[in-house]
Amino acid sequence: GEDVEQSLFLSVREGDSSVINCTYTDSSSTYLYWYKQEPGAGLQLLTYIFSNMDMKQDQRLTVLLNKKDKHLSLRIADTQTGDSAIYFCAEFNQGGKLIFGQGTELSVKP
Amino acid sequence: NAGVTQTPKFQVLKTGQSMTLQCAQDMNHEYMSWYRQDPGMGLRLIHYSVGAGITDQGEVPNGYNVSRSTTEDFPLRLLSAAPSQTSVYFCASSYGTGNEKLFFGSGTQLSVL
Repeated sequence: GEDVEQSLFLSVREGDSSVINCTYTDSSSTYLYWYKQEPGAGLQLLTYIFSNMDMKQDQRLTVLLNKKDKHLSLRIADTQTGDSAIYFCAEFNQGGKLIFGQGTELSVKP
Repeated sequence: NAGVTQTPKFQVLKTGQSMTLQCAQDMNHEYMSWYRQDPGMGLRLIHYSVGAGITDQGEVPNGYNVSRSTTEDFPLRLLSAAPSQTSVYFCASSYGTGNEKLFFGSGTQLSVL
């Protein structure tokens, strides 16, 4: 079946790196995404990775994909208080649907 | 550009009442969808549409109806509200039906008493 799993909470100190992990079950997924949700708002696309890539870097964000283990991670370097939000992993599968994980609430302490 | 506009932002219903959540986008997107967000469960797809006149069911369609008479609008109807439908509802759209970036509305917080 289709399932995307994330841990629910992560707490880091300002300036540290944050790593948010995600596992998925559909090995035929073509694209994998990270969305960010700030309080009281909808989701915004942060970054995405195509399934034939291992890594993608975009400024402070690094996405790592381990296709063998069906594991996706998002690393935020030099985490700031403005990065506090809920982060959702999502996979676009060959059924043509976008399946979201439960979301990881990132708390950044000064 | 307004993007994806949802109304209302908040709504309280009594069990058994019906209502329509409105969603409109001004980006000429073909694909529109409705999700509900519940604590610890992420976003679950209710219904989606790949173009005007075409709708299909997502993961949790029961208790909800949709229609897509125009490209711009995709209303979600609750026929007889139940407490289990208390949730935050998000409308989202994208240009195509593939891997395109989804644009989300700001959400409707619905409470059913």
